[in-house]
Order: sequence, then structure tokens, then C-alpha cells
Amino acid sequence: GEDVEQSLFLSVREGDSSVINCTYTDSSSTYLYWYKQEPGAGLQLLTYIFSNMDMKQDQRLTVLLNKKDKHLSLRIADTQTGDSAIYFCAPQTAGNQFYFGTGTSLTVIP
Amino acid sequence: EPEVTQTPSHQVTQMGQEVILRCVPISNHLYFYWYRQILGQKVEFLVSFYNNEISEKSEIFDDQFSVERPDGSNFTLKIRSTKLEDSAMYFCASTGQGGGEKLFFGSGTQLSVL
Repeated sequence: GEDVEQSLFLSVREGDSSVINCTYTDSSSTYLYWYKQEPGAGLQLLTYIFSNMDMKQDQRLTVLLNKKDKHLSLRIADTQTGDSAIYFCAPQTAGNQFYFGTGTSLTVIP
Repeated sequence: EPEVTQTPSHQVTQMGQEVILRCVPISNHLYFYWYRQILGQKVEFLVSFYNNEISEKSEIFDDQFSVERPDGSNFTLKIRSTKLEDSAMYFCASTGQGGGEKLFFGSGTQLSVL
């Protein structure tokens, strides 16, 4: 399977930008997803990027992909308290498998 | 928006008992998955299922586990003889053709093995 690594914790002040980073190992990953998990809840798809793109913007979310370094990041602009959650990076392999990172717990301080 | 439905939401069982977790994937989807998340830990892949057979499974998915699509709508995960360490949240997921199609998750079944 694919190894997906993320920092475990991130704290930001409300209104600041958050940047959550992810590294992966499978260079054949086709699509790369970001999922959000609020406490006690399931996994909610936030956004994704195709592997031939460098950047994708979706309202407050910006995804950056460095395919050479196998590095993915999620930037949340104007972070709100409602953004507090665990964020999972999930590359999709060419074999249509999805592997999840360790998750980054984002805490937004009012 | 279409939903993946999982039942029950909570399941409590005694060690050594068999449990069946049920899932109804989105109706036109073709790929089905089970993941689990032990409290406070990462989401772990268990198994994927396509064209009525297992397409990939992880080391966790040993002989105690099995999956089945008994009819056109349900997708089940059976644990034959549960162990304490099987206690986790089990998520079912499905997707259509893959490749940019969303992986839709159910809300999970919390399994507690006593």
C-alpha cells in the first residue's frame, strides 16, 4: 500500500490561514483528496486535485501539489472555528485504492 | 446528495461472537470499500470489492473477516470471532468509476467488543 504522512497537530488563530501538509509515496497516484472529519462524525470530502495539476482553488480552499516531491498541501484562508476538525490526505492509486494519512488535527483559537 | 447508509450505528458484542456490519452503497456505484478507525488513530484500509470479488485487501483483513454483496444493494462485512482489538469505527465507502469521482462514506458503525 501507499504510505501517507501528515503532521499530527496544527493550531491557528481565527482569521489566519492554515496550511496542512501531506507527503505520499506512490508516484502513480492519480487523484489526491482532502477529507474532513469532525468529532464523532464520518468523513466528508472537501476537495481533490488531479495529478497533472499544480494548484486548485475552491473558495477558501487552495490545494497545492508538487508531484516531483510527492507533496500535497491544503490551505484554508480566513480560518474559522467551524474549521476545527481532523483533515485527512488521501491519494487515489492507479488501482483505484484510497489510502489515508494519519490525519492533522486543526484547532482554531478564537 | 446520494448517501451511503450503514447499519447499525452502534454494535456491542462479546468477544468471540460473530458480527455483521451492513452497508447500502450508492446505487450506481461499482467500487466498494471497508475502512476502520480505532479511536484516535488513522483511517485504515481493510478491503476493496469490485465486480463481485475482492480486488485488494490489507494485512488487517485476515481470515476472520469476510465481505459479501448478497444482493444488488447490500454490502456486508462479517467478523467471525471478534477480538477486543476489533473495537473501532467501521466505515463503508463507495465510488463510481473512480478517477476523480468522490469516494462517498457512510457515517460509520461503532463496534465495541467487550
